[in-house]
Amino acid sequence: SQQGEEDPQALSIQEGENATMNCSYKTSINNLQWYRQNSGRGLVHLILIRSNEREKHSGRLRVTLDTSKKSSSLLITASRAADTASYFCATDSSSYKLIFGSGTRLLVRP
Amino acid sequence: DAGVIQSPRHEVTEMGQEVTLRCKPISGHNSLFWYRQTMMRGLELLIYFNNNVPIDDSGMPEDRFSAKMPNASFSTLKIQPSEPRDSAVYFCASSSGDSDTQYFGPGTRLTVL
Repeated sequence: SQQGEEDPQALSIQEGENATMNCSYKTSINNLQWYRQNSGRGLVHLILIRSNEREKHSGRLRVTLDTSKKSSSLLITASRAADTASYFCATDSSSYKLIFGSGTRLLVRP
Repeated sequence: DAGVIQSPRHEVTEMGQEVTLRCKPISGHNSLFWYRQTMMRGLELLIYFNNNVPIDDSGMPEDRFSAKMPNASFSTLKIQPSEPRDSAVYFCASSSGDSDTQYFGPGTRLTVL
């Protein structure tokens, strides 16, 4: 069964706007990761946030983690057409095993 | 670094045929993962190797699937005999022992007719 579930399933925004994606999970975690997948490509790691962290930044990405609510959010600021992709959260159910959510499909219109 | 390399990128075969997918992990990485991605089931872990040893194969669908890692730089995923429901994109990923980040290959799109 999937540990992480992303919301919304699909998101369409105008270039320059911010995009926010949410992830909810069921069991306790050590860390949560976000990955991006461009059409026809493999997944690319974006950012990792540990369970004792509440917020993390990387360039135009901002990730928050609320372990009490078992949820995380990924914010992409000043979106670009090149950000068009699917975004997945992944939680660790063990030291090696990542459980991926179903993903959010982001479309950034030029 | 060349990243994780997978071959072939696309495979079209007929039901009942044997299919072999190949993966070369990033040099120095000691963990290797095979995933399957479908619209219905999303991304599923099939098998995990650590230092060339299979640690967790609980995700392998059935006996028709087998995976090997004869050395640190090569792994195969074999399906014999293949069935139409095996059609999916198969990804290989690798990571180093002290990192939680997994690096994915470009995937093999398998179509079984």
